[in-house]
Amino acid sequence: SQTIHQWPATLVQPVGSPLSLECTVEGTSNPNLYWYRQAAGRGLQLLFYSVGIGQISSEVPQNLSASRPQDRQFILSSKKLLLSDSGFYLCAWSVQAGVSYEQYFGPGTRLTVT
Amino acid sequence: AQSVAQPEDQVNVAEGNPLTVKCTYSVSGNPYLFWYVQYPNRGLQFLLKYITGDNLVKGSYGFEAEFNKSQTSFHLKKPSALVSDSALYFCAVRDLTGFQKLVFGTGTRLLVSP
Repeated sequence: SQTIHQWPATLVQPVGSPLSLECTVEGTSNPNLYWYRQAAGRGLQLLFYSVGIGQISSEVPQNLSASRPQDRQFILSSKKLLLSDSGFYLCAWSVQAGVSYEQYFGPGTRLTVT
Repeated sequence: AQSVAQPEDQVNVAEGNPLTVKCTYSVSGNPYLFWYVQYPNRGLQFLLKYITGDNLVKGSYGFEAEFNKSQTSFHLKKPSALVSDSALYFCAVRDLTGFQKLVFGTGTRLLVSP
């Protein structure tokens, strides 16, 4: 079966510090990968998605970037964090060229920028 | 553009009573519709989906959803609510803009009282 991991689970970082969040998927090959941010425990904002190694699409211009160095690894980064980067970050995957589009989510990373 | 609306920020129901969480959609073609549940500080869990076929879809944890094309609705239901059903529920629709993305609603918080 497929599993998706995210780490760290929680992170407290000062403004201006760098960020690296990691997501890995097991049990599937060539998945679509997604990064979402959820602010105030409510709506989801799609940040990035990827269809393959090195292929990243950005949904919203911002202080963050994403990379996919391996087939099942997706990394969210920032060079200098802003207070507004605080939130709950969720990674998700879906079957490449799947029929029904459902996504499967990781456990999330709670980021607090102080 | 595809969209879903969840008109209720919060739904309150007593344990043992039936529950309904509402979702309406707006799509330009055939809708692919999804329900997810999120428990506190956790990722989203897939509950069920409608692609085609029977208008009544059964999913995890005793939940079901009814697709109504004439009312453009996809309401989530459960015959008998449990306190453990208290969570945040998201409706989503397939995005038809050329990539396998989902468009999520703003979420409805379900509170089941003992």
